Amino acid sequence: GAVVSQHPSWVICKSGTSVKIECRSLDFQATTMFWYRQFPKQSLMLMATSNEGSKATYEQGVEKDKFLINHASLTLSTLTVTSAHPEDSSFYICSARADSVEAFFGQGTRLTVV
Amino acid sequence: GENVEQHPSTLSVQEGDSAVIKCTYSDSASNYFPWYKQELGKRPQLIIDIRSNVGEKKDQRIAVTLNKTAKHFSLHITETQPEDSAVYFCAASKFPRAGGTSYGKLTFGQGTILTVHP
Repeated sequence: GAVVSQHPSWVICKSGTSVKIECRSLDFQATTMFWYRQFPKQSLMLMATSNEGSKATYEQGVEKDKFLINHASLTLSTLTVTSAHPEDSSFYICSARADSVEAFFGQGTRLTVV
Repeated sequence: GENVEQHPSTLSVQEGDSAVIKCTYSDSASNYFPWYKQELGKRPQLIIDIRSNVGEKKDQRIAVTLNKTAKHFSLHITETQPEDSAVYFCAASKFPRAGGTSYGKLTFGQGTILTVHP
């Protein structure tokens, strides 16, 4: 299957700082990328959908000014958590797809805000 | 929007037994239903998927059935092994392009913690 790489795998940051997470499709061009958040022992909740070159579409209840998503190329999307707070601590996972139905997931980023 | 309900939340079986996990969905336009296995702290791995034009699909010990009328689909694992222990998620999505912002996004069920005892 196709490879999606997410970086970093884990990050610890201080409250009030911003953190950027990268999601790269290594061997295919991703027309669409998705960002999910997963709290411990819970399901994956879609945060936003991004298409290359256009603004991301955020799910209801997700603050677009807090979770900045950029999809500048067909192989890279970034999620920036701005002014992070402890309640933003979570597992963030991206997925990417081209024209096939299957979505390929990154390995996830464990964010801890202290 | 789509809503996916998954049951049971936990499932404990003996090695060699079968395991069945069930999901229901609300949006009759959904036409793609993947199942994922997720181990602790790792990415979800696609284990099997089914499209709405098919009623059943099998891959070795894993099978999925779909009832479009009732809007439910199930995962069946036979001859379970300890390494099958993980969290399993069902999901629903719409393909081909449905227009708007719903194209290709997955709505996940709540997950099932499967434990296979040796």
